[in-house]
Amino acid sequence: GQQVMQIPQYQHVQEGEDFTTYCNSSTTLSNIQWYKQRPGGHPVFLIQLVKSGEVKKQKRLTFQFGEAKKNSSLHITATQTTDVGTYFCAGPAATSGSARQLTFGSGTQLTVLP
Amino acid sequence: DADVTQTPRNRITKTGKRIMLECSQTKGHDRMYWYRQDPGLGLQLIYYSFDVKDINKGEISDGYSVSRQAQAKFSLSLESAIPNQTALYFCATSVGGARTDTQYFGPGTRLTVL
Repeated sequence: GQQVMQIPQYQHVQEGEDFTTYCNSSTTLSNIQWYKQRPGGHPVFLIQLVKSGEVKKQKRLTFQFGEAKKNSSLHITATQTTDVGTYFCAGPAATSGSARQLTFGSGTQLTVLP
Repeated sequence: DADVTQTPRNRITKTGKRIMLECSQTKGHDRMYWYRQDPGLGLQLIYYSFDVKDINKGEISDGYSVSRQAQAKFSLSLESAIPNQTALYFCATSVGGARTDTQYFGPGTRLTVL
């Protein structure tokens, strides 16, 4: 079945440092979504990328979808303590009867040290 | 997201007991999902429903059942709880109509099976 893998699993950074998490799929994705889960909270949608090579920015966050549409990355510039949480990527399940389920990556847990 | 509510928020039960987790939404979305989250394993889909008469198994449905009582309500049951079902359970909704839908998560139910 389809696998969506994220690395690293954990990342500790000093406040002000940059952070990147990578997402790789075993199959080509029609699109990819990113979610953030704060400690003790629930996943919250951040963004969806659809086009090959697409790059989108949200303030200090930059999201990229690979040319082959099998990988994606999230880069945070100058991390702040508010960035703490687990970041998940998610893509359509290849084996579903309808391409409307999501397969989630295992997530990257970001800790920002003040 | 306050539009998606889950009850109870925390539950401790014993092996062999029947447990029902409830999810309600006021977003008017057709699609509803149940996920399980274990540390380091991301979100795994248990069941999903695209409308009241359409219920489908996800990747880890064994030991679980669901009921879609109305568009706004989707319940998850553990017929005979076992300790390895101890996890954080999330309900989610999506609007439908798009190739892949953004998902809106409830606050979660933390279940402990002793």
